[in-house]
Amino acid sequence: GNSVTQMEGPVTLSEEAFLTINCTYTATGYPSLFWYVQYPGEGLQLLLKATKADDKGSNKGFEATYRKETTSFHLEKGSVQVSDSAVYFCALRSGDDKIIFGKGTRLHILP
Amino acid sequence: SAVISQKPSRDICQRGTSLTIQCQVDSQVTMMFWYRQQPGQSLTLIATANQGSEATYESGFVIDKFPISRPNLTFSTLTVSNMSPEDSSIYLCSVKSMFDTEAFFGQGTRLTVV
Repeated sequence: GNSVTQMEGPVTLSEEAFLTINCTYTATGYPSLFWYVQYPGEGLQLLLKATKADDKGSNKGFEATYRKETTSFHLEKGSVQVSDSAVYFCALRSGDDKIIFGKGTRLHILP
Repeated sequence: SAVISQKPSRDICQRGTSLTIQCQVDSQVTMMFWYRQQPGQSLTLIATANQGSEATYESGFVIDKFPISRPNLTFSTLTVSNMSPEDSSIYLCSVKSMFDTEAFFGQGTRLTVV
């Protein structure tokens, strides 16, 4: 079946550090891939998405590239800020429109 | 993007009782889903709410415990029945229209069962 695996957290970085959160997936067909973010005390928001191989999603300085050959969708940001502290979920949309989530990675950014 | 209103935002309930959560969307949507997020965990799909017919439940979830209604294209309810402390979670409504790639989420209902 379809599944998403992402790196365990928590991840703690200093402000302005480079961020990578790894995500790999297993799916039949060609799923759409997403990163969602959940800030403390808030709901789930879409951060970025990619719908086909080699697409790059980007938003708020975050990027992720849909790599079909490695079934990966790693999240990156060149210089993180304290305000980026949140939980990040990698997800895929299966053929029946269901969203399947990874376990989430909690990110702490220290000033 | 759709604007989703979920009520209540939080509640504390006695074990053995039931709580009904409402999800209202500001536009007609094709798909509505209900998820559960247990403390410190990821989101798990409970069921797909089908308009005018019985919901489609995921493995491990049953209608007697989580009855769902969807009378029209903009509204759905999830009831958590005969609650126990293990039901303490955040319950989220999610919607997707025909024209969107992604799903949108409500703010969630934080349920504590005591």
